[in-house]
Amino acid sequence: GAVVSQHPSWVICKSGTSVKIECRSLDFQATTMFWYRQFPKQSLMLMATSNEGSKATYEQGVEKDKFLINHASLTLSTLTVTSAHPEDSSFYICSARAVPGTSGFHGAYEQYFGPGTRLTVT
Amino acid sequence: DAKTTQPNSMESNEEEPVHLPCNHSTISGTDYIHWYRQLPSQGPEYVIHGLTSNVNNRMASLAIAEDRKSSTLILHRATLRDAAVYYCILNTGGFKTIFGAGTRLFVKA
Repeated sequence: GAVVSQHPSWVICKSGTSVKIECRSLDFQATTMFWYRQFPKQSLMLMATSNEGSKATYEQGVEKDKFLINHASLTLSTLTVTSAHPEDSSFYICSARAVPGTSGFHGAYEQYFGPGTRLTVT
Repeated sequence: DAKTTQPNSMESNEEEPVHLPCNHSTISGTDYIHWYRQLPSQGPEYVIHGLTSNVNNRMASLAIAEDRKSSTLILHRATLRDAAVYYCILNTGGFKTIFGAGTRLFVKA
């Protein structure tokens, strides 16, 4: 249980184009999903928190108009990198927090992470 | 958010136990202690969590100090597949999870 998928696993795009990354919780419901970015040899940096049916909360320094997040259902969140530039090249990781009290989870707000999406902007 | 402090790296021999320490001196009473690990080019993987008591699961054990200001993740028999970055994180009430630098574990054959 507790599987989170991301699609695509890697993508190459040209500068100025937009890229959409999907994050799905496959076998559980997640009211909250998180998006992280990770540069080589660095730790994960939280970009935004999204709750189903409401606007995402962005961390300081993250441009909300550039990184569009949509959390339309309890199992799907999307991140769209608009007008991508080479400096946006990174490893993007989503995570989903299980609803406490649901079957199989301990109510400790543990998060389950997707496998990541490697974005390369040329 | 309460912060955690971990050694930058540790080394272990295969088949030997590994004790990964984490200090969290500013932990609050409602903070859960979570451990995740990240293998190269993969998303982090949940390892274990605890609140006050020591915990065991199929992956590892978590020993929590009586004052909760530190904890230790124990891998009972390290394998080459355990080589990863291990993150100790505090989480309260379902709020966002902030990652520190973690401990990079090297396992020697």
